[in-house]
Amino acid sequence: GDSVTQMEGPVTLSEEAFLTINCTYTATGYPSLFWYVQYPGEGLQLLLKATKADDKGSNKGFEATYRKETTSFHLEKGSVQVSDSAVYFCALSLNNNDMRFGAGTRLTVKP
Amino acid sequence: EPEVTQTPSHQVTQMGQEVILRCVPISNHLYFYWYRQILGQKVEFLVSFYNNEISEKSEIFDDQFSVERPDGSNFTLKIRSTKLEDSAMYFCASRGDLISNQPQHFGDGTRLSIL
Repeated sequence: GDSVTQMEGPVTLSEEAFLTINCTYTATGYPSLFWYVQYPGEGLQLLLKATKADDKGSNKGFEATYRKETTSFHLEKGSVQVSDSAVYFCALSLNNNDMRFGAGTRLTVKP
Repeated sequence: EPEVTQTPSHQVTQMGQEVILRCVPISNHLYFYWYRQILGQKVEFLVSFYNNEISEKSEIFDDQFSVERPDGSNFTLKIRSTKLEDSAMYFCASRGDLISNQPQHFGDGTRLSIL
């Protein structure tokens, strides 16, 4: 079935380090892809999205490119901050209906 | 910015009791969803709802669960005869339409603890 696999955490980085969180997907059609972020004690917030191959989603310094050839949507940020500490979820949506989430990757950024 | 709101933020219930989780979706949205996140696990789709009926549901959403939009603003998830394994974070989400690739907007969740 349709699913998302993302890099297991936890990930611990120092401030200003480069971040990559890998995400790959399996889908029978052409999904839309998303990254959601969950800060401590809060709900899921959309971080960025891409709806077709080669689209790049970006927000708050984070980027992810929809790669159809590798079925991937890796999240990257050039210089992380302590405030980026959160759990990051990769997700896909087919036919714009229900979403399938990855297991989540906990990121901790230390000063 | 409009938000999806969920109440209560934390619900503690005895096993076997019924519980109703409440959500107020964004006011002009048409599609509504419930998801579940068991502690430390992934977010799982439960059900989607459109035009006053269920449009899709997962295998998790069995006869124990039901959803309702009783008054045009609230969207509720009812769990009958709760079990210990129903303990989880429950997220409500809503979307404006399906055509324009709008994302789902999530509430902050209700933490359900079954004792």
